Amino acid sequence: AQSVTQLGSHVSVSEGALVLLRCNYSSSVPPYLFWYVQYPNQGLQLLLKYTTGATLVKGINGFEAEFKKSETSFHLTKPSAHMSDAAEYFCAVSGSSNTGKLIFGQGTTLQVKP
Amino acid sequence: GAVVSQHPSRVICKSGTSVKIECRSLDFQATTMFWYRQFPKQSLMLMATSNEGSKATYEQGVEKDKFLINHASLTLSTLTVTSAHPEDSSFYICSARDPIDRGNQPQHFGDGTRLSIL
Repeated sequence: AQSVTQLGSHVSVSEGALVLLRCNYSSSVPPYLFWYVQYPNQGLQLLLKYTTGATLVKGINGFEAEFKKSETSFHLTKPSAHMSDAAEYFCAVSGSSNTGKLIFGQGTTLQVKP
Repeated sequence: GAVVSQHPSRVICKSGTSVKIECRSLDFQATTMFWYRQFPKQSLMLMATSNEGSKATYEQGVEKDKFLINHASLTLSTLTVTSAHPEDSSFYICSARDPIDRGNQPQHFGDGTRLSIL
């Protein structure tokens, strides 16, 4: 079985500050890990993903995440927040069989203050 | 890049009405599509996996007779909410899997359908 836990349902940062969104996973098989962003009344857009290889993954809009197997974590970071980053962020996991089935975390709302 | 079109984006209807939501993959053939339900301020809950030419696989707790899924072609899956009631009001999102995995992502998401049952 697989599961995802996002620590902190709401994160608030100032514009220009570091963004850190936490994600921990549980998986009985090597995981594929994803971060998605959702703007109001829209679907999900992929920010980045980890499958195999390099554990530090760079995505769109300046975001990156690091896969840490020992900590079962896949935290999302961005060095400098922009107002346009305000949105809902979801961490997700799927199994290495790559059936495509995703298990999502509860989501974290990122607020960016001017 | 790959695009998934979901229609309608919003629907408001009376209790007891059946509502059909369409999910189309516009530039690739999707052998597998997924249907999710999202309550306000909550995560996406997978309702069912739709495979072209076969019956959908429903997640535990999802009523098959309530949420009818049809995946008759490689580019279209439909979700019909039968005899909808106010508790069915939600945001429904579909996604499609590109078997070639173009764009390096497992699923491409539609923009969702806001369903409101009066």
